[in-house]
Amino acid sequence: GAVVSQHPSRVICKSGTSVKIECRSLDFQATTMFWYRQFPKQSLMLMATSNEGSKATYEQGVEKDKFLINHASLTLSTLTVTSAHPEDSSFYICSARGRNMYNSPLHFGNGTRLTVT
Amino acid sequence: GQSLEQPSEVTAVEGAIVQINCTYQTSGFYGLSWYQQHDGGAPTFLSYNALDGLEETGRFSSFLSRSDSYGYLLLQELQMKDSASYFCAVSGNTPLVFGKGTRLSVIA
Repeated sequence: GAVVSQHPSRVICKSGTSVKIECRSLDFQATTMFWYRQFPKQSLMLMATSNEGSKATYEQGVEKDKFLINHASLTLSTLTVTSAHPEDSSFYICSARGRNMYNSPLHFGNGTRLTVT
Repeated sequence: GQSLEQPSEVTAVEGAIVQINCTYQTSGFYGLSWYQQHDGGAPTFLSYNALDGLEETGRFSSFLSRSDSYGYLLLQELQMKDSASYFCAVSGNTPLVFGKGTRLSVIA
C-alpha cells in the first residue's frame, strides 16, 4: 500500500521555461502531499505541503510564485517550476499521506531530476 | 523546531555489522523513520519506530528510545549493495524532517 508515482523521472529544459512535475497516489486518497527538494550530497528539504482543495503551505525561503503547487484532486498534485533557472536544477521528490495516516511512515515517489541549461 | 544529528560517513567491511545512530529534538513526536537512498535514486523506506524497542526486518533492525530522543539503524551481514546514504527522519507536529544523512561505504 501507499504507492506514490511521480512523473517525469528526468527533465532537461532551457532557462526561462516552465516545467510541470506530477505526483500521484495510486492506491489511496492523498489528503496531503509533500514536495521536497534535494541538492547533490545534501539532505531532503521540505519545500511545501499541499492539502487537497486548499492552497499550499510553503516553507520559509521557498518562493510560492516560482514553485506553483496544485492539489486539485485526492490522487494528484503538481509542482510547476516557473521561469526555471540553472540554480533550480535539483532532485524534486514528492510524498503523500492519506486521511488517518498521520502516524504512518511516508512513502516517496521516484523523484524528478531537473536540469536547467 | 526540529533537528536531527547523525554521523556523516561510516565505512564498514562486507559481512560486518554497522550501527548508524540518530539523535533528535522535536515537538509532538510520532515516530522515527529510516530511509535508504542510492546515488541518483529516491529515498526508500526501511523502517519506522513509534514505540520504544527494536524492530527487525531481515538484515535491518531499528531501535528507538523516546526518553533519550535516540534511535539507531543496525545493518547486519553487510553487502556491497548496502553502500548508500541513510537518513533518519522524525514525524512530529510538522511534516517529516530529515537528518543530513549518513554515507555508508561497504568495502571488501
